[in-house]
Amino acid sequence: DAMVIQNPRYQVTQFGKPVTLSCSQTLNHNVMYWYQQKSSQAPKLLFHYYDKDFNNEADTPDNFQSRRPNTSFCFLDIRSPGLGDAAMYLCATRQNTLRTDTQYFGPGTRLTVL
Amino acid sequence: AQSVTQLGSHVSVSEGALVLLRCNYSSSVPPYLFWYVQYPNQGLQLLLKYTTGATLVKGINGFEAEFKKSETSFHLTKPSAHMSDAAEYFCAVSLTDSWGKLQFGAGTQVVVTP
Repeated sequence: DAMVIQNPRYQVTQFGKPVTLSCSQTLNHNVMYWYQQKSSQAPKLLFHYYDKDFNNEADTPDNFQSRRPNTSFCFLDIRSPGLGDAAMYLCATRQNTLRTDTQYFGPGTRLTVL
Repeated sequence: AQSVTQLGSHVSVSEGALVLLRCNYSSSVPPYLFWYVQYPNQGLQLLLKYTTGATLVKGINGFEAEFKKSETSFHLTKPSAHMSDAAEYFCAVSLTDSWGKLQFGAGTQVVVTP
């Protein structure tokens, strides 16, 4: 089945130690999104790619970076995780940018910062 | 600007009872509206969406929602709750001129009691 895959599902890192989260998709969608979701809150968009074009949200901290080496893969890099970065990180894809298109979400990576 | 408001952060229903989750939207253009469900430690799964056409939209798992322009509402219902419906539900609107971004409501946590 076509899907969005996130690895690992659970990640534990130490305060200040760089960490990379991975997302891959078999849907061949043009757009990929990264969201941060804290407990009992709605997902918050960090950034997205349309093909290789990167679009950062205005309030995304510089500590968060992303790479999309090809259509299928997208990575979220947290350069120096703080305790406040502990959250669920969700990857989503979309065929293109028509407002009617559905976003398809992966299962998420839960990040713990010690 | 477009936004959605979900009334009630927590809803408790008895198994077999009607599930009603409320969502109101604000939009200066025709809205495209989505309902997503999130089970614990999972990503978001699309339940249904309204784009154009029929205002009563049927989704997966027995859920449906009715778009009411006069009331600016898109409430989600299910006639008979199952234990498996316990989850968090998010209403979202697709933003204009924004590369397909979604604006989520704050979410409603549904608890199903035997």
